[in-house]
Amino acid sequence: NAGVTQTPKFQVLKTGQSMTLQCAQDMNHEYMSWYRQDPGMGLRLIHYSVGAGITDQGEVPNGYNVSRSTTEDFPLRLLSAAPSQTSVYFCASSRGGMNTEAFFGQGTRLTVV
Amino acid sequence: GEDVEQSLFLSVREGDSSVINCTYTDSSSTYLYWYKQEPGAGLQLLTYIFSNMDMKQDQRLTVLLNKKDKHLSLRIADTQTGDSAIYFCARGGDTDKLIFGTGTRLQVFP
Repeated sequence: NAGVTQTPKFQVLKTGQSMTLQCAQDMNHEYMSWYRQDPGMGLRLIHYSVGAGITDQGEVPNGYNVSRSTTEDFPLRLLSAAPSQTSVYFCASSRGGMNTEAFFGQGTRLTVV
Repeated sequence: GEDVEQSLFLSVREGDSSVINCTYTDSSSTYLYWYKQEPGAGLQLLTYIFSNMDMKQDQRLTVLLNKKDKHLSLRIADTQTGDSAIYFCARGGDTDKLIFGTGTRLQVFP
């Protein structure tokens, strides 16, 4: 049982490049989400999904796309990377509903130059 | 999460108690959580409190909730160097979304 697995751990992109951050969970959780963590700003919700085929925007969705074709996977796509997207990205999953613990991946540190 | 506020830093001596504070604005929050993030790692749930509770104790951790003032605190008794981390307050409501605070970096010195 690996929990939430994110790849890659580190990535450097040039401005304008696109890439996909991968997230997979093996706990059969319905709810998955992507956050970015920036100094002094805590974690901000980018996109989330309450189940396969259902996604919605969080606080800071611009410049990112998601899809949820399976329960296990929730990739985050950067369409055209910008320096403002330099951040640490965390994927999380939970069973869903109230009072459920969120399990986090180890994070992806992304630098856009 | 602009509606969940925390101070950014706290420094305490080993063996003392630490108190990390959090304020929130959304009174519909049903559950309030404390997560811990160690260096280079993701977040892990420490404890949570339901909005109809005033206090919850779990070993060295005590959570106090003042619903009228929308104020949440986490007290760590006998703070150890291993408690050095970033602590996040988060609120949950009637959806699955968690809204996190800015995080408080706790530094424990000998």
